[in-house]
Amino acid sequence: GQNIDQPTEMTATEGAIVQINCTYQTSGFNGLFWYQQHAGEAPTFLSYNVLDGLEEKGRFSSFLSRSKGYSYLLLKELQMKDSASYLCAVKKGQAGTALIFGKGTTLSVSS
Amino acid sequence: EPEVTQTPSHQVTQMGQEVILRCVPISNHLYFYWYRQILGQKVEFLVSFYNNEISEKSEIFDDQFSVERPDGSNFTLKIRSTKLEDSAMYFCASSVRSRAGVSDEQFFGPGTRLTVL
Repeated sequence: GQNIDQPTEMTATEGAIVQINCTYQTSGFNGLFWYQQHAGEAPTFLSYNVLDGLEEKGRFSSFLSRSKGYSYLLLKELQMKDSASYLCAVKKGQAGTALIFGKGTTLSVSS
Repeated sequence: EPEVTQTPSHQVTQMGQEVILRCVPISNHLYFYWYRQILGQKVEFLVSFYNNEISEKSEIFDDQFSVERPDGSNFTLKIRSTKLEDSAMYFCASSVRSRAGVSDEQFFGPGTRLTVL
């Protein structure tokens, strides 16, 4: 079966750093994606990891450990507009295969 | 910047009726997908489409569902006889084939909110 776990909710304050964890157990693995989804809107791509290690992209970084089935998304210098759901998704196969999503982590950023 | 578009943004229908949800993927993309998200729940994969045929489908995508690429730009999802539990946001996505190890990120459209009464 497929299992992708992430915390349901997190809160943080403006300017802070937050780490959103994701663990996965899937029958195949060919990359892990992080998407951001504001309420009522479409998911938008944030980052992709297929090899172990850290990928940095401005205020956002994502880490992957394939042996542990673990990833995290790190958000720095939080802004109010970062309040959203963050979705962890695993691609099991080659190009064109499905993304399997976790339930998402709702992040609330307060001033 | 190119984007995936979907119409309509909101569709209300009676149980048992047929609906067709429309999508225009990004023009140079080769893979097309439909996902759904029931309110408050996770995004779920329905089907993927490549080279004019279904390449993968989930358990949700039963005989009531079908997809079609009727011309060079549109990609449609048809639900033959809608049920109450089909009420959800339906997202179309597309991606371009890439070499191994490079992200073939899926770009999502804004969604169609389907309400079945």
